[in-house]
Amino acid sequence: SQQGEEDPQALSIQEGENATMNCSYKTSINNLQWYRQNSGRGLVHLILIRSNEREKHSGRLRVTLDTSKKSSSLLITASRAADTASYFCATVTQGGSEKLVFGKGTKLTVNP
Amino acid sequence: EAGVAQSPRYKIIEKRQSVAFWCNPISGHATLYWYQQILGQGPKLLIQFQNNGVVDDSQLPKDRFSAERLKGVDSTLKIQPAKLEDSAVYLCASSLAGTRNGELFFGEGSRLTVL
Repeated sequence: SQQGEEDPQALSIQEGENATMNCSYKTSINNLQWYRQNSGRGLVHLILIRSNEREKHSGRLRVTLDTSKKSSSLLITASRAADTASYFCATVTQGGSEKLVFGKGTKLTVNP
Repeated sequence: EAGVAQSPRYKIIEKRQSVAFWCNPISGHATLYWYQQILGQGPKLLIQFQNNGVVDDSQLPKDRFSAERLKGVDSTLKIQPAKLEDSAVYLCASSLAGTRNGELFFGEGSRLTVL
């Protein structure tokens, strides 16, 4: 079963623009993680945000978490062609197993 | 630091044949995961090991899939007999501190095509 649902499913922007991807989930979480997957490759961890945190930054990445709305967003600022990839949110349920459940992902294309 | 190693990278088989995938996690990582990723979807957890023991295999089709982790290090995932719907990328991941405290490190995956 998939916990997180990303929106939009696909996003195409120009280099230098900002990209925002959203993730909604259904049950209370311990933490939420974002991963990137380049075509034909494995997933790479970007950021982990805990349920008691509201915002985290890492370089050009900014993640927000709104537990009241059960949603998170990933913002990539000043995008580059190399940011072209699929982005997945994944959640760890509060109090349950340690299973990390992924959404279906957002496919981001950054045009040079 | 060496990453998670997987082999083979690609495998093509006929339906009803068997296949095995191998994973070597990052040294010292106690937790190992096998995920199945069907084209266009997010990864789905098949099985999670903590050292030698199985923590979660609730989504593993046990009539055809099996996995083991000998000596708490390497792991193999086997499919026998394969079905068309098993065509997917099989991703192995490992973690040092578990999902509540840290990230998963993924291998490049093994792409299976069942004809």
